[in-house]
Amino acid sequence: GDSVTQMEGPVTLSEEAFLTINCTYTATGYPSLFWYVQYPGEGLQLLLKATKADDKGSNKGFEATYRKETTSFHLEKGSVQVSDSAVYFCALSPNRDDKIIFGKGTRLHILP
Amino acid sequence: DAMVIQNPRYQVTQFGKPVTLSCSQTLNHNVMYWYQQKSSQAPKLLFHYYDKDFNNEADTPDNFQSRRPNTSFCFLDIRSPGLGDAAMYLCATSVTGTGIEKLFFGSGTQLSVL
Repeated sequence: GDSVTQMEGPVTLSEEAFLTINCTYTATGYPSLFWYVQYPGEGLQLLLKATKADDKGSNKGFEATYRKETTSFHLEKGSVQVSDSAVYFCALSPNRDDKIIFGKGTRLHILP
Repeated sequence: DAMVIQNPRYQVTQFGKPVTLSCSQTLNHNVMYWYQQKSSQAPKLLFHYYDKDFNNEADTPDNFQSRRPNTSFCFLDIRSPGLGDAAMYLCATSVTGTGIEKLFFGSGTQLSVL
């Protein structure tokens, strides 16, 4: 079945470091891909998305490119801030489906 | 300006004692979801409503039931909670027609089972 695999956490970085969180997926067809973020004490919220191959989603300095050839959707940010500390979830939605399937999440700690 | 509201934020119940979690939305979205999120695991979809149509995931235990009396409200009933049901329960909504654009989540209810 459809699934998402993302790198284990926690990931600890210093402020202004470069961030990569790896995500790969398994799906039939052409799913939509998402990154959600969960700040402490809050619900998940959409960070960015891409709906077709080679699309790049971006928001708040974060980027991810839909790579169909490697079935990946890695999250990157050039210079992280302490306020980026949160749990990040990679997710997919099978095309023309009304469900979203999540990865296990990666906890990110940014040190000042 | 909360759009998806879950109550209570923390719920404690006893082993085997029925418990109900509630979710309301002000977005008028046609789809509502319940996810179970255990520590360090992916949120797991339990079921969802497409309007009034109930869609149960194949591996959702019979112990978990749901009701959606109207567009705004959805309830999760756990008939006989076990220790393994302790988790964060997340409610979400969306508008769909040709696939999901975005899920709107509530803050979740953390359920403890004693």
